[in-house]
Amino acid sequence: AQKVTQAQTEISVVEKEDVTLDCVYETRDTTYYLFWYKQPPSGELVFLIRRNSFDEQNEISGRYSWNFQKSTSSFNFTITASQVVDSAVYFCALSDYSSGGSYIPTFGRGTSLIVHP
Amino acid sequence: DVKVTQSSRYLVKRTGEKVFLECVQDMDHENMFWYRQDPGLGLRLIYFSYDVKMKEKGDIPEGYSVSREKKERFSLILESASTNQTSMYLCASSIPLNTEAFFGQGTRLTVV
Repeated sequence: AQKVTQAQTEISVVEKEDVTLDCVYETRDTTYYLFWYKQPPSGELVFLIRRNSFDEQNEISGRYSWNFQKSTSSFNFTITASQVVDSAVYFCALSDYSSGGSYIPTFGRGTSLIVHP
Repeated sequence: DVKVTQSSRYLVKRTGEKVFLECVQDMDHENMFWYRQDPGLGLRLIYFSYDVKMKEKGDIPEGYSVSREKKERFSLILESASTNQTSMYLCASSIPLNTEAFFGQGTRLTVV
């Protein structure tokens, strides 16, 4: 069963629009970690944020914000006032102990965000 | 600045060839990973290593092997390359305390 679901395969917006990328996860552990990564066209994945299961505080970093809700097993990512440079593939990942007995990150299939000028 | 370096950005190999993909990290990380990325499938774990000479199979190890003789270097080996191994390969490293992974720039391998 897929542990991390990113239902949106591709999202297309016009610059300055707000956009939310959805991430739903599945785990039986009480201790786990969630991550978001950005993969620009250059190919290298860039870490954006980590959140542990005991910290449900939402976080804001500039135009980026994250909404973690354990009740719905979701960790959504919002970009406010999108820019062309935000165009990339975004991956959500889950790391829990059930991943082969070690904390190995399992990735969703990614959401491709295209921001048009 | 932390760095994970993959030896090749692009590689073209023939079916049946033995292929080595090299990855080096300069952060003294214990954990190293090899993922494969295909359109619509996201990142899938091939192998990971949590120490020198230690390795564990990931979700899709068939057709691959790995080698970790030194802490900083983790090699992915395709014993006999096949066309269905055409893909983007990503190497990553992390410390064991469940922090974020640092990724290399990826190797786009084409098997013809």
